[in-house]
Amino acid sequence: DQQVKQNSPSLSVQEGRISILNCDYTNSMFDYFLWYKKYPAEGPTFLISISSIKDKNEDGRFTVFLNKSAKHLSLHIVPSQPGDSAVYFCAASANTGNQFYFGTGTSLTVIP
Amino acid sequence: DADVTQTPRNRITKTGKRIMLECSQTKGHDRMYWYRQDPGLGLRLIYYSFDVKDINKGEISDGYSVSRQAQAKFSLSLESAIPNQTALYFCATSDHGPRTNNEQFFGPGTRLTVL
Repeated sequence: DQQVKQNSPSLSVQEGRISILNCDYTNSMFDYFLWYKKYPAEGPTFLISISSIKDKNEDGRFTVFLNKSAKHLSLHIVPSQPGDSAVYFCAASANTGNQFYFGTGTSLTVIP
Repeated sequence: DADVTQTPRNRITKTGKRIMLECSQTKGHDRMYWYRQDPGLGLRLIYYSFDVKDINKGEISDGYSVSRQAQAKFSLSLESAIPNQTALYFCATSDHGPRTNNEQFFGPGTRLTVL
């Protein structure tokens, strides 16, 4: 049973606009969350993380929001750039960093 | 040079054959992982190892085995490959501790096809 879900397989956004990628989880023990970005023919690369003691973490154009009561997190990219076109995975773990559970991924296309 | 390397990058094999996928890292990390990626299912953890003497099953370990030959090397074996093991396989490493993000560093992947 999928404990981390990304319900939107794909998303298209105009360059310069905001991209919002969503992720839901079912396990209330999850306390650490990461977002990864994956280009074709490459492995995923780390983008940003958030601990359950926070509800927001920001790094440049990337912001992750965590809503623990809704078991929901989102990644905001502002402004979106064509180089952001990739597959984005969210991942979650309990006990901060043991076994990570990944979502199914959202393919983002930023249209120039 | 890549920090996490996987060999081979592509492999086509037949049902029943034994296959080994190898992973090496130069990051000096204690923790290593093997995942598989399937369309619509994301990445699923097969096995992980927190040091040379530690091996743990992940979500989907049936049909797989691993060997941690050294801190830098972690291999995945399919003793008798079957077609539903056709997938993209990723090795990853991580550091651990209060000053890390607990992020995992992934290799480029091995595309395995079992006919």
